Amino acid sequence: DAGVTQSPTHLIKTRGQHVTLRCSPISGHKSVSWYQQVLGQGPQFIFQYYEKEERGRGNFPDRFSARQFPNYSSELNVNALLLGDSALYLCASSWGRADYNEQFFGPGTRLTVL
Amino acid sequence: GENVEQHPSTLSVQEGDSAVIKCTYSDSASNYFPWYKQELGKGPQLIIDIRSNVGEKKDQRIAVTLNKTAKHFSLHITETQPEDSAVYFCAASKGAGNMLTFGGGTRLMVKP
Repeated sequence: DAGVTQSPTHLIKTRGQHVTLRCSPISGHKSVSWYQQVLGQGPQFIFQYYEKEERGRGNFPDRFSARQFPNYSSELNVNALLLGDSALYLCASSWGRADYNEQFFGPGTRLTVL
Repeated sequence: GENVEQHPSTLSVQEGDSAVIKCTYSDSASNYFPWYKQELGKGPQLIIDIRSNVGEKKDQRIAVTLNKTAKHFSLHITETQPEDSAVYFCAASKGAGNMLTFGGGTRLMVKP
């Protein structure tokens, strides 16, 4: 079975640019969450989408936005990139939001902002 | 909001020894506590989890214990092997499908 897939694998951008990251959940999973992992730290929650609606938002500025498509794939958009946005962006999927719906992570997209 | 602290930040053991990683959480409403293993260049992999209605769970060489009163939980790895070397993260949430709050991670090194 295919796991969570993310694209691209790596990305280099300059300050002020915009970036779009993509995630395809495990087949059958309807919930997608995004996390930011700065080097040497644990992942931090950014967004959760379930059935195409935002169900949770972490403490991130409005420059960060996301959406979920009818096929349950998702995009994370970041505008006006800052050096501090350099991180590994992780996508996690689960069947739903219930207590028994464990989350499984993709390999991540490594974003470098110069 | 929830705050999860994890210790130690690095842990070096000899192959065959046991390793213990400890986490504390702040929100008494948290009821789901997963552990993830992250190898270099990869995303976190769920290795074991525990819910607040049990105190201990075991899966082969890995076990997790939970003390709800003290708000701490621990990962125990017995008979460590070089392939156990990785960064381990604990996390807490109000339900498995909801937002996870992660600890800072523990780099485990198993020396052959």
